Amino acid sequence: GESVGLHLPTLSVQEGDNSIINCAYSNSASDYFIWYKQESGKGPQFIIDIRSNMDKRQGQRVTVLLNKTVKHLSLQIAATQPGDSAVYFCAEKENYGGSQGNLIFGKGTKLSVKP
Amino acid sequence: EAGVTQSPTHLIKTRGQQATLRCSPISGHTSVYWYQQALGLGLQFLLWYDEGEERNRGNFPPRFSGRQFPNYSSELNVNALELEDSALYLCASSLAGFTRSTEAFFGQGTRLTVV
Repeated sequence: GESVGLHLPTLSVQEGDNSIINCAYSNSASDYFIWYKQESGKGPQFIIDIRSNMDKRQGQRVTVLLNKTVKHLSLQIAATQPGDSAVYFCAEKENYGGSQGNLIFGKGTKLSVKP
Repeated sequence: EAGVTQSPTHLIKTRGQQATLRCSPISGHTSVYWYQQALGLGLQFLLWYDEGEERNRGNFPPRFSGRQFPNYSSELNVNALELEDSALYLCASSLAGFTRSTEAFFGQGTRLTVV
């Protein structure tokens, strides 16, 4: 069953504002997390990842924060643009045999950017 | 370099029939993952193949099955189709088994409609 969930199913922000999308996970043994963006009619696209030995990782306009104490993951998007409108999924790697495993996804948050 | 390709793009079947979906991974990737995404919902993990073997499967009935060929392409078979099987079926590929720094790339999906 699902071990990753999201606090907010929808998020509406003004263009130029910062967006924060939250995610809770339940498997404390998970060692790798990814955020994906899915636009309508397309497959999920990789945004940013983070390993469990890190608390924060930054990319271009995006930052992922990992709080292992409360098993919480967040994605911050700076200066949100209309092109950021999509559904965002967090995913954790379910370990199965050593360091290998498959991804388990949360239900997703729909981000809508208002011009 | 070609990405993950899935065929067909759309598939319409009648309840009780069988559906076969195909996936070609990125060159060099040995792992293929299948996910089901019902309309408006998240990605549910179906199957993981690596080096021709099934490594893990999600909580789906046995009528969902598949295989991976020597060239690492994969098929997903759904027998005795039910209306609830209507969904977007996504395939992803990665280097072997999703080690901590391995990214999974998704195809555009096959939209299966059961009538």
